[in-house]
Amino acid sequence: GAVVSQHPSRVICKSGTSVKIECRSLDFQATTMFWYRQFPKKSLMLMATSNEGSKATYEQGVEKDKFLINHASLTLSTLTVTSAHPEDSSFYICSARGDRAWTETQYFGPGTRLLVL
Amino acid sequence: RKEVEQDPGPFNVPEGATVAFNCTYSNSASQSFFWYRQDCRKEPKLLMSVYSSGNEDGRFTAQLNRASQYISLLIRDSKLSDSATYLCVVQNTGGFKTIFGAGTRLFVKA
Repeated sequence: GAVVSQHPSRVICKSGTSVKIECRSLDFQATTMFWYRQFPKKSLMLMATSNEGSKATYEQGVEKDKFLINHASLTLSTLTVTSAHPEDSSFYICSARGDRAWTETQYFGPGTRLLVL
Repeated sequence: RKEVEQDPGPFNVPEGATVAFNCTYSNSASQSFFWYRQDCRKEPKLLMSVYSSGNEDGRFTAQLNRASQYISLLIRDSKLSDSATYLCVVQNTGGFKTIFGAGTRLFVKA
C-alpha cells in the first residue's frame, strides 16, 4: 500500500516556540493532504485540508495563523505550530490522498507527538 | 446530531466471540464508507471499504444499509490482536470531505 511518512515522530518544545511537522507521500503524488489532531482517548479531529499549490482550507475553530500549512509540492506538506502552548500538546497526524478519483483511500502518516512544556 | 455516530464502547469480549459494531451517518448523499482500525498511540489504518453489496475479508464482514443510513462491522472468532479502536469513516460528495466517527473500542480477553 501507499506510504506516508511524518517527521519528527516526537517533539518536546518550550512554550512560545514554533514547531514544524513534515508529511511526505513516499510512493505516490498526493494532490490532497489532511491534517488531524487527536487528544488522548478522543477522536481524530480534522484541522485543515490542503491542496498542492493552493491555500489550505481550515475547519471551524482552527486558527490559520497559529497552524500554518504549506503544501508546496505533490509529495510534501508541512504544518507549523506557531508560538506553541501546553494546550497544543497533542498527536498530530497527516493523511494523503492520491491523484485519482475523489473516493481514493486516505493513507495516514505515523503521527507526531507534540509535547509543549 | 453528529454526522457520523458510533457507540464508543468499550466492548469487552472473550477470545473466539463474535462482535458487531454499528455506525450511523446523517448525510444521505454520502458516497463512500470505510472502517479503519487504530491501535493505541498509533495512526489509523484502513481495515476495509464498505460496499452496498456487503463485503467480507476473512473474519471481517462489512455491511452498508443506505436506506437506514448505517454501516456495520462484524468480527468473527475474535483474536487478542483485534483489540483496538474501530473508526467508521464516511466520505461525502462535493467537497471531498471525510468524516471520522469517534471510534468504538474493543478489548478481546483471553
